[in-house]
Amino acid sequence: QSVLTQPPSVSGAPGQRVTISCTGSSSNIGAGYDVHWYQQLPGTAPKLLIYGNSNRPSGVPDRFSGSKSGTSASLAITGLQAEDEADYYCQSYDSSLSGSGVVFGGGTKLTVL
Amino acid sequence: EVQLVQSGAEVKKPGESLKISCKGSGYSFTSYWIGWVRQMPGKGLEWMGIIYPGDSDTRYSPSFQGQVTISADKSISTAYLQWSSLKASDTAMYYCARVLGPTVTLNWFDPWGQGTLVTVSS
Repeated sequence: QSVLTQPPSVSGAPGQRVTISCTGSSSNIGAGYDVHWYQQLPGTAPKLLIYGNSNRPSGVPDRFSGSKSGTSASLAITGLQAEDEADYYCQSYDSSLSGSGVVFGGGTKLTVL
Repeated sequence: EVQLVQSGAEVKKPGESLKISCKGSGYSFTSYWIGWVRQMPGKGLEWMGIIYPGDSDTRYSPSFQGQVTISADKSISTAYLQWSSLKASDTAMYYCARVLGPTVTLNWFDPWGQGTLVTVSS
């Protein structure tokens, strides 16, 4: 059971817009900690997609965007392309009585129809 | 180019020890934290811990504290993850990644190493 909750899967047709949610709580996203997103293509290492809630590293297309509100965050992908088919993970920081540290969402598999 | 290159795949028996490595290049290795992340077969990412090679300050996830040891040798720009007694449940892909961000609580990971597959089977 991941501390951050993501839908197991989402899908969309080429050219469409999809969003992936990341729901946390008052000990992580709701506490003001930033959310970051990673893309993991099949058989490869994760790659940074969005950092600091909404910032794109150099080289990441502007089709990818991130936002955060309250205890949740979202990753939006517009103009969906076949190459976007991958697993997506959100990441934040959690500070609770049981310990503090980096936390990941369970991951969302994006299928391009 | 900033790069993290990990050691090759390992096949071990339960009870054996193991140390895998992650060599950094293209940046000041002693100025950035390095993190380790586990990915079990078909599963998601789990944060294991981080180390600051400059002074070997180390933080562990509560889930991995006491189960693994993270270390670094700054003279050869290499971080390590080691087990003293492997279990079948340690079978997974292990990634290292450079930590970026203004503080430990606001950090993210970039870039990532290519991963080291550890298989533990009798």
